[in-house]
Amino acid sequence: NAGVTQTPKFRVLKTGQSMTLLCAQDMNHEYMYWYRQDPGMGLRLIHYSVGEGTTAKGEVPDGYNVSRLKKQNFLLGLESAAPSQTSVYFCASSPDPLPYEQYFGPGTRLTVT
Amino acid sequence: DAKTTQPTSMDCAEGRAANLPCNHSTISGNEYVYWYRQIHSQGPQYIIHGLKNNETNEMASLIITEDRKSSTLILPHATLRDTAVYYCIVRVASVNYGGSQGNLIFGKGTKLSVKP
Repeated sequence: NAGVTQTPKFRVLKTGQSMTLLCAQDMNHEYMYWYRQDPGMGLRLIHYSVGEGTTAKGEVPDGYNVSRLKKQNFLLGLESAAPSQTSVYFCASSPDPLPYEQYFGPGTRLTVT
Repeated sequence: DAKTTQPTSMDCAEGRAANLPCNHSTISGNEYVYWYRQIHSQGPQYIIHGLKNNETNEMASLIITEDRKSSTLILPHATLRDTAVYYCIVRVASVNYGGSQGNLIFGKGTKLSVKP
């Protein structure tokens, strides 16, 4: 049981490039989330999903898109990376009906130059 | 959502119990107390949650006062690997996903340093 895994662990992008971050969970959880964490800012919710085929905006969705085609996977896309998107990205999942019992992945450290 | 107050930092000797307090004097009747921790450079880790009864799992115990205005997370035998920032969060159990209420709001937390 791997829990929540994230790919890649590190990435450096140039401004304007695109990329997709993959989150996978093997706990059969209904809910999945993408957060970003910046120094002194705490965790901020980007997008979330309440089930396969559903997505919704969180607190800071601009510049990101997501998809949840399969229950176990939640993808976060950056269409045109900007230096302001330099951050650590965490994916999390939680079971229904305990949305606040969230299990986090190890994070992806993204630098945009 | 109820606001929480935690000490900025605490020290604990290895092998001793670590007792981390949290005040949540404005907690509502339908709000749970959740505890998470974040070890440096890692993702946050869920520890435990409770409503009004004391709870225990393999990681920790949660003691909630009878008036529910404060709680204490207890790590019974702290190890060096328990050094982390510990967050006390108060949230309702059910979520109206019409908004962003599924998100966890992490405050400053308590920096616990376990020393040999």
